[in-house]
Amino acid sequence: DGGITQSPKYLFRKEGQNVTLSCEQNLNHDAMYWYRQDPGQGLRLIYYSQIVNDFQKGDIAEGYSVSREKKESFPLTVTSAQKNPTAFYLCASTPMGRGLGGNTEAFFGQGTRLTVV
Amino acid sequence: QKEVEQNSGPLSVPEGAIASLNCTYSDRGSQSFFWYRQYSGKSPELIMFIYSNGDKEDGRFTAQLNKASQYVSLLIRDSQPSDSATYLCAVTLSPYGGATNKLIFGTGTLLAVQP
Repeated sequence: DGGITQSPKYLFRKEGQNVTLSCEQNLNHDAMYWYRQDPGQGLRLIYYSQIVNDFQKGDIAEGYSVSREKKESFPLTVTSAQKNPTAFYLCASTPMGRGLGGNTEAFFGQGTRLTVV
Repeated sequence: QKEVEQNSGPLSVPEGAIASLNCTYSDRGSQSFFWYRQYSGKSPELIMFIYSNGDKEDGRFTAQLNKASQYVSLLIRDSQPSDSATYLCAVTLSPYGGATNKLIFGTGTLLAVQP
């Protein structure tokens, strides 16, 4: 079955530690996104990528880094520079990256809940 | 001005009533509009998408788009308690003149359907 897989489902981070969240999709989608969701809040865009080896900052990129070495994979690293990383992280992909219009329906992974201990 | 705005609610409606959810967006060049439903602690799931001005119906759900007013809405007819969730509006923006697409979400509206 095609879909998006995020791992781990729960992650605990110590103060000052970098952690990497995994996101893999087998939908052959061009575009991938990382969002952060805080309790009672909407989704805020961290980073997005339209094609391999290219990505753009979203609205809250500070303290995060990404890579897009393969079409299927878009890992997110939460660095020690992110002072308040406790949140629910969602990865999404859409069929179409560049170009106006078209089908940009997003498919989501199950999320990773990150907690600082 | 936020790129996508929604009233956070909660919006409370009685069972069987029509729930009306609204969303405005700032980028006149936006092409694609989506409504997602999210239950607490879960990932969003797509309910409707709409690309053209007017209404689009799917079962109990109707999406309405007015590009001139930069307004998109979702109507839920015969609301059920199982419809109680947060409804997220999402818009595809093209910040680089179509060279790339950026999918932005509103903060969501919490809907509570009272039995």
